Amino acid sequence: DAGITQSPRHKVTETGTPVTLRCHQTENHRYMYWYRQDPGHGLRLIHYSYGVKDTDKGEVSDGYSVSRSKTEDFLLTLESATSSQTSVYFCAIKPAGGADTQYFGPGTRLTVL
Amino acid sequence: AQSVTQLDSHVSVSEGTPVLLRCNYSSSYSPSLFWYVQHPNKGLQLLLKYTSAATLVKGINGFEAEFKKSETSFHLTKPSAHMSDAAEYFCVVSDPLNTNAGKSTFGDGTTLTVKP
Repeated sequence: DAGITQSPRHKVTETGTPVTLRCHQTENHRYMYWYRQDPGHGLRLIHYSYGVKDTDKGEVSDGYSVSRSKTEDFLLTLESATSSQTSVYFCAIKPAGGADTQYFGPGTRLTVL
Repeated sequence: AQSVTQLDSHVSVSEGTPVLLRCNYSSSYSPSLFWYVQHPNKGLQLLLKYTSAATLVKGINGFEAEFKKSETSFHLTKPSAHMSDAAEYFCVVSDPLNTNAGKSTFGDGTTLTVKP
């Protein structure tokens, strides 16, 4: 257990509504990541953060935004959810230094109707 | 730029027989390489990692992987499959943390089926 929680764990919403997913860590690690997992695609990086207020885009960032106002929280926002954003979302943290292993949260299953 | 190719999307073995899951990678840096396992409706668990130390890496549950730079491969093996090994396996390559914030690229996954 790497001290990562995600909320909510499950969410069903309608097309066009805003959605925010939260990733919370207790380890005070610098690097945090948001991925989505879809069948046949592995995990694809949406956005990542390398410090408070320091974020950058991953390979599938369109339609998503992030914020990190404090070390422990990394928020992923879908401004206007679409059915193509139905997925399982995983947050990950990575300690600075060491063997740079990622530790994953339990995931959030999001369904957009 | 970095990429990962898992050469088999599905692998089926009989219980007690060897497992081989193949992974090729490319990276502009000296990469860190990982294998993760995901059981159905579960999160990702680290099996093992290579970070420029010994080329033969031993992980949990009897798995091991060998880093072969000349072949740009990092194949995962286990001498004898167990029913509990049935899961999806992901090969991952990561940039160093001081480069691109240690971004990782995942392979598309290999589903391992173990037959009794």
